[in-house]
Amino acid sequence: DIQMTQSPSSLSAFVGDRVTITCRASQTISSYLNWYQQKPGKAPKVLIYSASSLQTGVPSRFSGSGSGTDFTLTISSLQPEDFATYYCQQSYSTPLTFGGGTKVEIK
Amino acid sequence: QLQLQESGPGLVKPSETLSLTCTVSGGSISSSSYYWGWIRQPPGTGLEWIGSIYYSGSTYYNPSLKSRVTINVDTSKNQFSLKLSSVTAADTAVYYCATSDYSNYGPYNWFDPWGQGTLVIVSS
Repeated sequence: DIQMTQSPSSLSAFVGDRVTITCRASQTISSYLNWYQQKPGKAPKVLIYSASSLQTGVPSRFSGSGSGTDFTLTISSLQPEDFATYYCQQSYSTPLTFGGGTKVEIK
Repeated sequence: QLQLQESGPGLVKPSETLSLTCTVSGGSISSSSYYWGWIRQPPGTGLEWIGSIYYSGSTYYNPSLKSRVTINVDTSKNQFSLKLSSVTAADTAVYYCATSDYSNYGPYNWFDPWGQGTLVIVSS
């Protein structure tokens, strides 16, 4: 199985801050990396697919980069509605696996 | 626009079989464009992929659950289902159904959309 490791597991930030979350795969996954946002009591929602493609309807302040084993999700200017938990997911091989999540909280 | 909705018992006894159904609206489950999947999330923890199915019946299961999992498609009802046998408290989770775009190689894409999720508690 491909292990996905996210860091940090949690962070506190101010509205307007630039936030970066990293995800590392235990083996190369090319660009088969997706990012989700999950708010309490809700299903995850895809933000970025294939490492850097912005899902339709997702604000442009979200961006993704990376390939191989190291990936990054960046929020350029954190908004109040962005406080949530973020997960990465590899879709390179089965079993499909997710990172442990990064909880973004208000500072 | 596809919409998915999970349904099934919210309480299952240990050693019994958990059975959930996902009803698809806004599109056909027989579409060649999608895989249909199940993902679960134990309370307060992360996400675990359970498995995915294509309308033709081709299935992909997480090896950690494969011996206990069956996913089926019912094209007449536009539904797909999950059965998980011999459940224990460790199977307590919110269960989501979701779809991913078809790929020649398998269910190797992101999940979108998801159902709202249903909490299943395993307890006597």
